[in-house]
Amino acid sequence: DIQMTQSPSSLSASLGDRVTITCRASQSISLYLNWYQQKPGKAPELLIYAASSLQSGVPSRFSGSGSGTDFTLTISSLQPEDFATYYCQQSYTTPITFGQGTRLEIK
Amino acid sequence: QVQLVQSGAEVKKPGASVKVSCKASGYTFTSYGFNWVRQAPGQGLEWMGSISPYNGNTNYPHKFRGRVTMTTDTSTRTAYMELRSLRSDDAAVYYCARVDPIAAAGLPLPTHWGPGTLVTVSS
Repeated sequence: DIQMTQSPSSLSASLGDRVTITCRASQSISLYLNWYQQKPGKAPELLIYAASSLQSGVPSRFSGSGSGTDFTLTISSLQPEDFATYYCQQSYTTPITFGQGTRLEIK
Repeated sequence: QVQLVQSGAEVKKPGASVKVSCKASGYTFTSYGFNWVRQAPGQGLEWMGSISPYNGNTNYPHKFRGRVTMTTDTSTRTAYMELRSLRSDDAAVYYCARVDPIAAAGLPLPTHWGPGTLVTVSS
């Protein structure tokens, strides 16, 4: 199985900050990396697919980059609604696997 | 609009089985597959498998093979996930998600999610 490792596990930041979350795959997954946002008590929502493509309706302050084994999710200017947990997921092969999550908290 | 409505919370004893349903509306049921994903309390997301309502094809990870069965009923537009021989570490919120085939994304991606069904396992 492909292991997905995110860092950091948690992150404190202020409104307006630029934040970056990284995700590393245990083997090359080309561009088949996706990012989800999950708020407490809610289902995850797809933010970015194929490493850098923004899902419809997602604000442009979210961006993704990377290929192969190393990927990043960047939020350019934190808004109140961005405080949540973020998961990366590989869709290169089954079993589909997720990172352990990064909890983004208000400083 | 796409809507997925899941069955209500369940409390089961260890060794029992649970069957969670996911009723879909707002699109052509047989055109999109489903993933089932679970989340233990305070933990991350775990993929449990996928099913195509078009042909019934399933794909289960090794961890759940032999213990999980995913089915669909096209007449009622409902997907089901049954997990048997429940253990305490099966306690989780179980999500169904409709997957969309996005060419650049490899495997179909969960783009529409149900609200989740809480399964508690306790003696």
